[in-house]
Amino acid sequence: GEDVEQSLFLSVREGDSSVINCTYTDSSSTYLYWYKQEPGAGLQLLTYIFSNMDMKQDQRLTVLLNKKDKHLSLRIADTQTGDSAIYFCAESISGGYNKLIFGAGTRLAVHP
Amino acid sequence: NAGVMQNPRHLVRRRGQEARLRCSPMKGHSHVYWYRQLPEEGLKFMVYLQKENIIDESGMPKERFSAEFPKEGPSILRIQQVVRGDSAAYFCASSFRTGSSTDTQYFGPGTRLTVL
Repeated sequence: GEDVEQSLFLSVREGDSSVINCTYTDSSSTYLYWYKQEPGAGLQLLTYIFSNMDMKQDQRLTVLLNKKDKHLSLRIADTQTGDSAIYFCAESISGGYNKLIFGAGTRLAVHP
Repeated sequence: NAGVMQNPRHLVRRRGQEARLRCSPMKGHSHVYWYRQLPEEGLKFMVYLQKENIIDESGMPKERFSAEFPKEGPSILRIQQVVRGDSAAYFCASSFRTGSSTDTQYFGPGTRLTVL
């Protein structure tokens, strides 16, 4: 079956690193995504990783993929108050088009 | 280059009325996806359309829901005889290329439907 799970809440101090974790079940996933949703807004694509990669870095963001354990993580370095949002992990299901399966989202709260 | 546009942003309907949600994809995009987000949950896939064709509607409720993406104009998600359980945020996303698994989806701001 298709399922994506995330922890629901994470609280960090400003300046610290945040690590948001995600597990997925479909081993045929081709791409895995991280989206950010601010209150009342749509989803903003943060980054994605192809399933044959282990790591991808993009400025303050580092994505790690453990394909054996079907585990994905997003690390945000030097977390700022503007990073407070809900972060969604999503996998694309193979089958010729990009149907996304989302986790329930991790609410990140950044405090001074 | 405008992003994905959805309107209205907020929609209030009484039980039994119809809701029509509109989505204009990004310029040049001919693939549209609709997702529903219930409170405190992630997004759930509803339907995938290309121009004038429904490709996958496996996430659509069997009754009262329909979607279209005509040759001209926006994609429409229609909910007939709304019930309170339809209250949710409905997001549209569009993509450019062939709709393959390598395509990036760009999301609109969503329509928040409230059924009284």
